[in-house]
Amino acid sequence: EVQLLESGGGLVQPGGSLRLSCAASGFTFSSQAMSWVRQPPGKGLEWVSGISDGGDGAYYADTVKGRFTISRDNSKNTLFLQMNSLRPDDTAVYYCANRWWLEAWGQGTLVTVSS
Amino acid sequence: DIQMTQSPSAMSASVGDRVTITCRASQGISNNLAWFQQKPGKAPKRLIYAAATLQSGVPSRFSGGGSGTEFFLTISSLQPEDFATYYCLQHNGSPYTFGQGTKLEIK
Repeated sequence: EVQLLESGGGLVQPGGSLRLSCAASGFTFSSQAMSWVRQPPGKGLEWVSGISDGGDGAYYADTVKGRFTISRDNSKNTLFLQMNSLRPDDTAVYYCANRWWLEAWGQGTLVTVSS
Repeated sequence: DIQMTQSPSAMSASVGDRVTITCRASQGISNNLAWFQQKPGKAPKRLIYAAATLQSGVPSRFSGGGSGTEFFLTISSLQPEDFATYYCLQHNGSPYTFGQGTKLEIK
Protein backbone atom coordinates (compact mmCIF):
# COMPACT_ATOMS: atom_id res chain seq x y z
CA GLU A 1 0.00 0.00 0.00
CA VAL A 2 1.31 3.41 -0.99
CA GLN A 3 1.93 5.66 2.01
CA LEU A 4 3.01 9.29 1.88
CA LEU A 5 3.69 11.28 5.04
CA GLU A 6 4.34 15.02 4.88
CA SER A 7 6.12 16.97 7.61
CA GLY A 8 7.80 20.31 8.18
CA GLY A 9 4.83 22.65 8.13
CA GLY A 10 4.29 25.37 10.69
CA LEU A 11 4.06 29.11 11.29
CA VAL A 12 6.59 31.33 9.52
CA GLN A 13 6.88 35.08 9.08
CA PRO A 14 6.56 36.71 5.66
CA GLY A 15 9.90 36.56 3.87
CA GLY A 16 10.92 33.46 5.79
CA SER A 17 11.78 29.95 4.65
CA LEU A 18 10.51 26.46 5.34
CA ARG A 19 11.44 22.99 4.10
CA LEU A 20 8.76 20.37 3.68
CA SER A 21 9.47 16.64 3.53
CA CYS A 22 7.42 13.72 2.25
CA ALA A 23 8.40 10.22 3.34
CA ALA A 24 7.26 7.56 0.89
CA SER A 25 6.73 3.83 1.31
CA GLY A 26 4.87 0.96 -0.31
CA PHE A 27 6.17 1.51 -3.85
CA THR A 28 9.43 1.89 -5.76
CA PHE A 29 10.03 5.56 -5.04
CA SER A 30 12.97 5.93 -7.43
CA SER A 31 10.85 4.92 -10.43
CA GLN A 32 7.99 7.38 -9.99
CA ALA A 33 7.61 11.11 -10.52
CA MET A 34 6.36 13.07 -7.52
CA SER A 35 4.41 16.29 -7.04
CA TRP A 36 3.38 18.89 -4.50
CA VAL A 37 -0.15 20.33 -4.44
CA ARG A 38 -1.49 22.97 -2.06
CA GLN A 39 -4.89 24.11 -0.86
CA PRO A 40 -5.42 27.47 0.85
CA PRO A 41 -8.00 27.40 3.66
CA GLY A 42 -11.50 27.12 2.19
CA LYS A 43 -10.26 27.24 -1.40
CA GLY A 44 -9.49 24.90 -4.28
CA LEU A 45 -6.47 22.82 -5.21
CA GLU A 46 -3.35 24.28 -6.84
CA TRP A 47 -0.58 22.18 -8.38
CA VAL A 48 2.72 23.60 -7.11
CA SER A 49 5.60 21.53 -8.46
CA GLY A 50 6.62 18.18 -9.88
CA ILE A 51 9.86 16.25 -10.28
CA SER A 52 10.84 13.35 -12.51
CA ASP A 53 11.79 9.94 -11.11
CA GLY A 54 15.51 10.59 -11.41
CA GLY A 55 15.27 14.17 -10.24
CA ASP A 56 16.63 15.66 -13.46
CA GLY A 57 13.36 17.32 -14.46
CA ALA A 58 11.62 19.82 -12.19
CA TYR A 59 8.58 21.92 -12.96
CA TYR A 60 6.82 24.75 -11.13
CA ALA A 61 3.65 26.79 -11.06
CA ASP A 62 4.21 30.40 -12.07
CA THR A 63 3.16 31.52 -8.58
CA VAL A 64 6.15 29.79 -6.93
CA LYS A 65 8.79 29.78 -9.67
CA GLY A 66 12.05 31.26 -8.42
CA ARG A 67 11.01 30.93 -4.75
CA PHE A 68 10.37 27.19 -4.29
CA THR A 69 12.69 24.29 -5.13
CA ILE A 70 11.60 20.67 -5.38
CA SER A 71 14.12 17.88 -4.84
CA ARG A 72 14.27 14.23 -3.88
CA ASP A 73 16.58 11.73 -2.18
CA ASN A 74 15.92 8.36 -3.77
CA SER A 75 18.25 6.62 -1.30
CA LYS A 76 15.94 7.76 1.53
CA ASN A 77 12.60 7.59 -0.32
CA THR A 78 11.98 11.22 0.52
CA LEU A 79 10.65 14.21 -1.43
CA PHE A 80 11.37 17.80 -0.42
CA LEU A 81 10.04 21.27 -1.07
CA GLN A 82 12.29 24.18 -0.11
CA MET A 83 10.15 27.31 0.20
CA ASN A 84 11.86 30.70 0.35
CA SER A 85 10.58 34.29 0.35
CA LEU A 86 7.27 33.08 1.73
CA ARG A 87 4.22 35.31 1.41
CA PRO A 88 0.86 35.29 3.22
CA ASP A 89 -0.82 33.89 0.10
CA ASP A 90 1.41 30.78 0.38
CA THR A 91 -0.65 29.82 3.44
CA ALA A 92 -2.14 26.43 2.65
CA VAL A 93 -2.20 22.73 3.35
CA TYR A 94 0.59 21.19 1.27
CA TYR A 95 0.13 17.66 -0.05
CA CYS A 96 2.61 15.38 -1.76
CA ALA A 97 1.39 12.88 -4.35
CA ASN A 98 2.97 10.20 -6.51
CA ARG A 99 3.13 10.04 -10.31
CA TRP A 100 2.45 12.96 -12.64
CA TRP A 101 -1.25 12.15 -12.44
CA LEU A 102 -1.38 12.29 -8.62
CA GLU A 103 -2.36 8.70 -7.94
CA ALA A 104 -2.08 8.68 -4.14
CA TRP A 105 -1.83 11.57 -1.68
CA GLY A 106 -0.46 12.18 1.79
CA GLN A 107 -2.56 13.67 4.57
CA GLY A 108 -1.02 17.14 4.15
CA THR A 109 0.93 19.57 6.30
CA LEU A 110 -0.25 23.09 7.11
CA VAL A 111 1.97 26.07 6.32
CA THR A 112 0.91 29.42 7.79
CA VAL A 113 2.70 32.58 6.69
CA SER A 114 1.85 35.39 9.06
CA SER A 115 3.48 38.03 11.23
CA ASP B 1 -0.78 27.86 -19.45
CA ILE B 2 -3.78 25.58 -19.92
CA GLN B 3 -6.91 26.80 -18.14
CA MET B 4 -9.51 24.32 -16.89
CA THR B 5 -13.09 25.61 -16.66
CA GLN B 6 -15.20 23.35 -14.47
CA SER B 7 -18.97 23.59 -14.19
CA PRO B 8 -21.11 23.89 -12.27
CA SER B 9 -19.25 25.37 -9.28
CA ALA B 10 -21.94 24.01 -6.97
CA MET B 11 -25.04 21.90 -7.26
CA SER B 12 -27.60 20.25 -5.08
CA ALA B 13 -29.07 16.85 -5.80
CA SER B 14 -30.90 13.99 -4.13
CA VAL B 15 -29.88 10.44 -3.35
CA GLY B 16 -30.49 8.36 -6.47
CA ASP B 17 -30.07 11.26 -8.90
CA ARG B 18 -27.78 11.13 -11.92
CA VAL B 19 -25.35 14.07 -12.05
CA THR B 20 -22.74 15.21 -14.53
CA ILE B 21 -19.84 17.61 -13.99
CA THR B 22 -17.89 19.00 -16.92
CA CYS B 23 -14.40 20.37 -17.46
CA ARG B 24 -13.30 22.31 -20.50
CA ALA B 25 -9.63 22.81 -21.34
CA SER B 26 -8.40 25.97 -23.04
CA GLN B 27 -6.46 23.80 -25.47
CA GLY B 28 -6.32 20.14 -26.37
CA ILE B 29 -4.96 17.83 -23.68
CA SER B 30 -5.60 14.44 -25.33
CA ASN B 31 -6.86 12.19 -22.50
CA ASN B 32 -4.48 13.53 -19.84
CA LEU B 33 -7.22 14.30 -17.37
CA ALA B 34 -8.06 12.97 -13.91
CA TRP B 35 -10.98 13.44 -11.54
CA PHE B 36 -10.69 13.70 -7.74
CA GLN B 37 -13.15 13.63 -4.86
CA GLN B 38 -12.45 15.55 -1.66
CA LYS B 39 -14.37 15.43 1.59
CA PRO B 40 -13.96 18.08 4.31
CA GLY B 41 -10.69 17.82 6.20
CA LYS B 42 -9.42 14.97 4.02
CA ALA B 43 -6.91 14.64 1.21
CA PRO B 44 -8.30 14.33 -2.32
CA LYS B 45 -8.88 10.84 -3.67
CA ARG B 46 -8.44 9.98 -7.32
CA LEU B 47 -11.55 8.53 -8.99
CA ILE B 48 -10.79 8.52 -12.70
CA TYR B 49 -7.58 8.74 -14.73
CA ALA B 50 -6.80 8.89 -18.45
CA ALA B 51 -10.17 10.64 -18.74
CA ALA B 52 -12.23 7.46 -18.55
CA THR B 53 -10.41 4.76 -16.53
CA LEU B 54 -11.90 3.99 -13.14
CA GLN B 55 -9.43 3.85 -10.26
CA SER B 56 -9.34 0.43 -8.61
CA GLY B 57 -11.82 0.26 -5.73
CA VAL B 58 -13.98 3.15 -6.93
CA PRO B 59 -17.67 2.21 -7.35
CA SER B 60 -18.86 1.66 -10.90
CA ARG B 61 -21.54 4.36 -10.53
CA PHE B 62 -18.69 6.79 -11.30
CA SER B 63 -17.71 7.18 -14.94
CA GLY B 64 -15.68 9.62 -16.98
CA GLY B 65 -15.31 10.48 -20.62
CA GLY B 66 -14.23 12.97 -23.22
CA SER B 67 -11.01 13.86 -24.96
CA GLY B 68 -9.32 16.89 -26.43
CA THR B 69 -10.96 19.83 -24.67
CA GLU B 70 -14.28 18.55 -23.27
CA PHE B 71 -14.53 16.10 -20.38
CA PHE B 72 -17.21 14.90 -18.01
CA LEU B 73 -17.64 13.01 -14.73
CA THR B 74 -20.97 11.26 -14.22
CA ILE B 75 -22.35 9.69 -11.07
CA SER B 76 -25.18 7.43 -12.18
CA SER B 77 -27.06 7.11 -8.89
CA LEU B 78 -25.96 9.37 -6.05
CA GLN B 79 -25.27 7.77 -2.70
CA PRO B 80 -25.03 9.63 0.62
CA GLU B 81 -21.23 9.21 0.70
CA ASP B 82 -20.88 10.95 -2.70
CA PHE B 83 -21.68 14.40 -1.37
CA ALA B 84 -18.29 16.07 -1.59
CA THR B 85 -16.26 18.44 -3.76
CA TYR B 86 -14.97 17.22 -7.11
CA TYR B 87 -11.97 18.52 -9.10
CA CYS B 88 -10.58 17.83 -12.54
CA LEU B 89 -6.84 18.00 -13.25
CA GLN B 90 -5.04 18.29 -16.57
CA HIS B 91 -1.55 16.80 -16.62
CA ASN B 92 -0.81 17.23 -20.31
CA GLY B 93 1.86 19.84 -19.78
CA SER B 94 3.45 21.92 -17.06
CA PRO B 95 2.12 23.76 -15.22
CA TYR B 96 -0.61 21.26 -14.43
CA THR B 97 -3.92 22.87 -13.59
CA PHE B 98 -7.03 21.98 -11.63
CA GLY B 99 -10.58 23.03 -12.29
CA GLN B 100 -12.14 25.34 -9.73
CA GLY B 101 -14.08 22.51 -8.11
CA THR B 102 -17.74 21.46 -7.92
CA LYS B 103 -19.35 21.26 -4.50
CA LEU B 104 -22.08 18.63 -4.57
CA GLU B 105 -24.61 19.11 -1.78
CA ILE B 106 -27.68 17.22 -0.63
CA LYS B 107 -31.01 18.70 -1.76
